[in-house]
Amino acid sequence: DGGITQSPKYLFRKEGQNVTLSCEQNLNHDAMYWYRQDPGQGLRLIYYSQIVNDFQKGDIAEGYSVSREKKESFPLTVTSAQKNPTAFYLCASSDSGSNQPQHFGDGTRLSIL
Amino acid sequence: AQKITQTQPGMFVQEKEAVTLDCTYDTSDQSYGLFWYKQPSSGEMIFLIYQGSYDEQNATEGRYSLNFQKARKSANLVISASQLGDSAMYFCAMRPPGSARQLTFGSGTQLTVLP
Repeated sequence: DGGITQSPKYLFRKEGQNVTLSCEQNLNHDAMYWYRQDPGQGLRLIYYSQIVNDFQKGDIAEGYSVSREKKESFPLTVTSAQKNPTAFYLCASSDSGSNQPQHFGDGTRLSIL
Repeated sequence: AQKITQTQPGMFVQEKEAVTLDCTYDTSDQSYGLFWYKQPSSGEMIFLIYQGSYDEQNATEGRYSLNFQKARKSANLVISASQLGDSAMYFCAMRPPGSARQLTFGSGTQLTVLP
């Protein structure tokens, strides 16, 4: 089945450590997105990419980095510069039409040890 | 900049009854898209329904319909014949025009369906 796969489901980070969240899609979508969700809140955009080898900062990009070397993959690195990384991270992709919804993965819960 | 406001942090509805979840938005764009998503306790985001700003008819999708009032900038979600499985967080989101097409989300409404 086509969809978006995020891994791992749960991730723990030690102080000063960088961690990478994986996001893979087999929907052949051009655009991919990373969102952060804090408890009881909506989603906030971290980074997005419309095409391979190109990406733009969202509203809360500080302390995060991404790459888009392949159309199917859009990994997110949470760096040690992100002082409050504990959150639920959701990856999404969408087709290029304006009425096309974003399809989401199941998310990764990141916690600080 | 776009802004989405969901003023109901929590809602309760009796099973088999209809419920309306409110969403208002603020934008200076003439062309935009409005989306509703459902987030169960497991965390995944499930797309429910879409309304384009130039669509003359309200969108419907099974038990979901969208009460779109463009002049009032509101896009309320109506769920008919509520089921216990409808208990979840519901988010309204807006997509602006342009090639980026990222979504701006509201803060959500937690819906609980009572047996």
